Amino acid sequence: DAKTTQPNSMESNEEEPVHLPCNHSTISGTDYIHWYRQLPSQGPEYVIHGLTSNVNNRMASLAIAEDRKSSTLILHRATLRDAAVYYCILSHSGGGADGLTFGKGTHLIIQP
Amino acid sequence: SQTIHQWPATLVQPVGSPLSLECTVEGTSNPNLYWYRQAAGRGLQLLFYSVGIGQISSEVPQNLSASRPQDRQFILSSKKLLLSDSGFYLCAWSVGTGVTEAFFGQGTRLTVV
Repeated sequence: DAKTTQPNSMESNEEEPVHLPCNHSTISGTDYIHWYRQLPSQGPEYVIHGLTSNVNNRMASLAIAEDRKSSTLILHRATLRDAAVYYCILSHSGGGADGLTFGKGTHLIIQP
Repeated sequence: SQTIHQWPATLVQPVGSPLSLECTVEGTSNPNLYWYRQAAGRGLQLLFYSVGIGQISSEVPQNLSASRPQDRQFILSSKKLLLSDSGFYLCAWSVGTGVTEAFFGQGTRLTVV
């Protein structure tokens, strides 16, 4: 699987937008970009995924660069419950756990 | 709706003792099943995955084994635990090979003493 690079940690204020970056310069044409998050002492939770176009769902938005070498997860209005480790993952098989390789992710801290 | 059950939530075991962690999925058929481990301060490492009953693939050599005796049951075992087996063990499932989500259980925190 192609590798992703994320900042170790980020800090934001409650009720403000959060932009979590991810670099994946070696991404291949068939790699999907997945985001998961892990709250303390819980299993990871799916957030969003995409291939080329930007994606929106009830949890977040995913902005994918035109060359696909980077992407940004956008939380439009952070709450204290969004404090978690966020993982950016590339999946060559198109999805599911068979293609998921987790890195260390970004530890998002939300200040009240 | 689909649910995944993983137990126990926490476990403290002495070195050299056996281990059996169980994971069951409800509400879906023929899921792909996975065991991950997360050591303290590290990312999740895929240990085993299974695409069907009796079909187990191991991602890394280790002191652990996995079995899938039923379609929606996945078991992680060890005959003799090592200190290095301590960690947070997570079971997960997905369906098919297309673009799908993976659903994780709540995890078992294992401490080997």
